[in-house]
Amino acid sequence: KNEVEQSPQNLTAQEGEFITINCSYSVGISALHWLQQHPGGGIVSLFMLSSGKKKHGRLIATINIQEKHSSLHITASHPRDSAVYICAVGRGDNNDMRFGAGTRLTVKP
Amino acid sequence: NAGVMQNPRHLVRRRGQEARLRCSPMKGHSHVYWYRQLPEEGLKFMVYLQKENIIDESGMPKERFSAEFPKEGPSILRIQQVVRGDSAAYFCASSPSAGELFFGEGSRLTVL
Repeated sequence: KNEVEQSPQNLTAQEGEFITINCSYSVGISALHWLQQHPGGGIVSLFMLSSGKKKHGRLIATINIQEKHSSLHITASHPRDSAVYICAVGRGDNNDMRFGAGTRLTVKP
Repeated sequence: NAGVMQNPRHLVRRRGQEARLRCSPMKGHSHVYWYRQLPEEGLKFMVYLQKENIIDESGMPKERFSAEFPKEGPSILRIQQVVRGDSAAYFCASSPSAGELFFGEGSRLTVL
């Protein structure tokens, strides 16, 4: 079993829909990161969380430390949100990160 | 303030050649991390460096791979005698401390 599990693996949505991507982890962590990777492109760090909730524009990330679970929400989704979203957990000071396999999101106009 | 700069963006090598990938962290960042993303696979941690020191290289293959982050200049990931299985995207990230990461655009290595 992977230390970081994401669901769903693939997600197709219509423009405007509310989207949720889930991440569960099985190890102790110091922080959880949500990353965005566009096809053939680089990686952008969206959020770093150690507790509670963060919001940036149409993106919201939450984490429940007790349940070892995090969610990434996208409100009013847009085709430009189409990307792979990756959950990663950081352990200790070394940022020895463990990555989920990613969720491939496609938002259709 | 420029972001994390990686070069080359694309590199083609024949089997047995050497590949050198460079990463310039963001200004003021002293922590550098290298990750590898094999085709159709997730990212995997390779090595964590601070200036002139390797802090954690537990994710790096023991042979043919080395990394450095000299006092002056970029961090270098060096792969000697490349094989086809080394074909991957190599990402560098930097942080001002052991916290939020800023990623580069990646270097895509193709071994023929």
